[in-house]
Amino acid sequence: NAGVTQTPKFQVLKTGQSMTLQCAQDMNHEYMSWYRQDPGMGLRLIHYSVGAGITDQGEVPNGYNVSRSTTEDFPLRLLSAAPSQTSVYFCASSFTSGGAGNTGELFFGEGSRLTVL
Amino acid sequence: QKEVEQDPGPLSVPEGAIVSLNCTYSNSAFQYFMWYRQYSRKGPELLMYTYSSGNKEDGRFTAQVDKSSKYISLFIRDSQPSDSATYLCAMSFNSGGYQKVTFGTGTKLQVIP
Repeated sequence: NAGVTQTPKFQVLKTGQSMTLQCAQDMNHEYMSWYRQDPGMGLRLIHYSVGAGITDQGEVPNGYNVSRSTTEDFPLRLLSAAPSQTSVYFCASSFTSGGAGNTGELFFGEGSRLTVL
Repeated sequence: QKEVEQDPGPLSVPEGAIVSLNCTYSNSAFQYFMWYRQYSRKGPELLMYTYSSGNKEDGRFTAQVDKSSKYISLFIRDSQPSDSATYLCAMSFNSGGYQKVTFGTGTKLQVIP
């Protein structure tokens, strides 16, 4: 089972360059999200989506853009990379149902390590 | 003040020790209390969860929630080198039809053979 797949696993950019981190899930999850993980800061939510065509900002959205045209895919775009965006990025998905027993368990990809020089 | 506070460690223990990991929180709306385990260079994975106050046991792992004190714990008995990882607490509540999840910063654990 593929689960959540992120590409690329590693990327080095120069300041000012743009790029897209890809995320795909095959679990038919409605909810998808992007986090960045930095030492001492934990996981910080960048953007999230509760379904195709619906996106919203998280805690640290500046400098990032997202779209959700299909249930499966949720790409994260860096518009003009800055050294402060050097981080490990995780895509995560879950069911949206707020029913009993749904903890909001997030299924994570393996991460994309980005360095901005 | 962060909604969820977690001691970052690192924590280093000998094999076989009992490990106690803890988080405090401030939001009374949290319903589910979770522990994720993250191995080096991997994504976090859910280890176990509890709903409301009380204890839950799964093998060598016990999760404990005290909602009156806004305090949760994860105990690992007979710790093994394979338990070496970062442990993140997480808490969630229903917000607009989906579960809003907030993470602690994680505690790095090393179990020494």
